Amino acid sequence: GAVVSQHPSRVICKSGTSVKIECRSLDFQATTMFWYRQFPKQSLMLMATSNEGSKATYEQGVEKDKFLINHASLTLSTLTVTSAHPEDSSFYICSARDPEQSQPQHFGDGTRLSIL
Amino acid sequence: DQQVKQNSPSLSVQEGRISILNCDYTNSMFDYFLWYKKYPAEGPTFLISISSIKDKNEDGRFTVFLNKSAKHLSLHIVPSQPGDSAVYFCAASVTGTASKLTFGTGTRLQVTL
Repeated sequence: GAVVSQHPSRVICKSGTSVKIECRSLDFQATTMFWYRQFPKQSLMLMATSNEGSKATYEQGVEKDKFLINHASLTLSTLTVTSAHPEDSSFYICSARDPEQSQPQHFGDGTRLSIL
Repeated sequence: DQQVKQNSPSLSVQEGRISILNCDYTNSMFDYFLWYKKYPAEGPTFLISISSIKDKNEDGRFTVFLNKSAKHLSLHIVPSQPGDSAVYFCAASVTGTASKLTFGTGTRLQVTL
């Protein structure tokens, strides 16, 4: 079945650091990928839709200059949390949909980001 | 504004019995609904889905029921197994929005021996 790989699985870094998270579709091409954020005991909140070859579409309230998204190829999207602060600590998950299948989105295993 | 709600944060069921997880939504534009299962430190795994043109979809031990007039859906797992213990999220989308999903807050299911 379709597999989505997300890396790294965990990041611990100092405040002010920029962190890059990668999301790859391993056995299919994804023109669209999605980035979610989950706070403890809360829902997965869609942050942005990543479109291959064009600008990402951000949800209301998400700072595009804070969360930079690049979808340079059909198998890779990256989320960069710029100048991260403790309030950015969260669980970030990406997903992708195989356009050749009728099945819905497949999710990566997420990245636990902790800013000290 | 939580458009998809799962009012029970947790549920405990004995092995072999039926587990019923509930989900309510407010946006009448939603026409496709999904259930995902999530283990700690992992991404959600797709379980089953239903289109708004149906009121029931079954896949093995999992059945999803949709009541459009009540804006309510439920996931039935029978018989429940210890391996079913996880957090279950319902999600909804509007056709034509490139599969953008709105998730509920999740229900933690514990299946006991």
